[in-house]
Amino acid sequence: KAGVTQTPRYLIKTRGQQVTLSCSPISGHRSVSWYQQTPGQGLQFLFEYFSETQRNKGNFPGRFSGRQFSNSRSEMNVSTLELGDSALYLCASSFDRYGFTEAFFGQGTRLTVV
Amino acid sequence: AQTVTQSQPEMSVQEAETVTLSCTYDTSESDYYLFWYKQPPSRQMILVIRQEAYKQQNATENRFSVNFQKAAKSFSLKISDSQLGDAAMYFCAYRGSGNTPLVFGKGTRLSVIA
Repeated sequence: KAGVTQTPRYLIKTRGQQVTLSCSPISGHRSVSWYQQTPGQGLQFLFEYFSETQRNKGNFPGRFSGRQFSNSRSEMNVSTLELGDSALYLCASSFDRYGFTEAFFGQGTRLTVV
Repeated sequence: AQTVTQSQPEMSVQEAETVTLSCTYDTSESDYYLFWYKQPPSRQMILVIRQEAYKQQNATENRFSVNFQKAAKSFSLKISDSQLGDAAMYFCAYRGSGNTPLVFGKGTRLSVIA
């Protein structure tokens, strides 16, 4: 069974540009969550999608957005990039949304904003 | 809001020895779930072990076990017979019962000395 796939693995963007990151969950998983990981702030929750609906949203500005498609694949978009957006972006998928369910993570997309 | 605290930014252990990583959390909920994730240099987060708060028995997975103290809100991870492959960042995570996202601690970097 294929794991969670995130593309691209690495990305370099210029301040002010926008970027789209993609996440393909494990087959059959309907929940996809996104996290931002930085050395200073650690892992911070961005948003969660379940069956194409955003169920939870973290404390990030509106420049961060996402969506989920009918095949459960998810994308997140960051507009008007800032230097502080440089981070590892992790996607996690799970079969359902209930508390004890294991979340499977992808290898992440390393975004560098210059 | 729930918070997770890992007070040891770095730990080291000799190969074949035992090490304990600390984690405390703050919550007003009585029903919740706790997790330990491992993030090796490859960046992919892997679930190590999980615990349901209503279960008094401590979870065990091979060389990994937890000491769950609900009243003290403590959830430490014990790694026995440490191996070189255990070297990684370890994250403690909390999830409430209301379909809320995972909340992570800042992590503990574990080094294993041959």
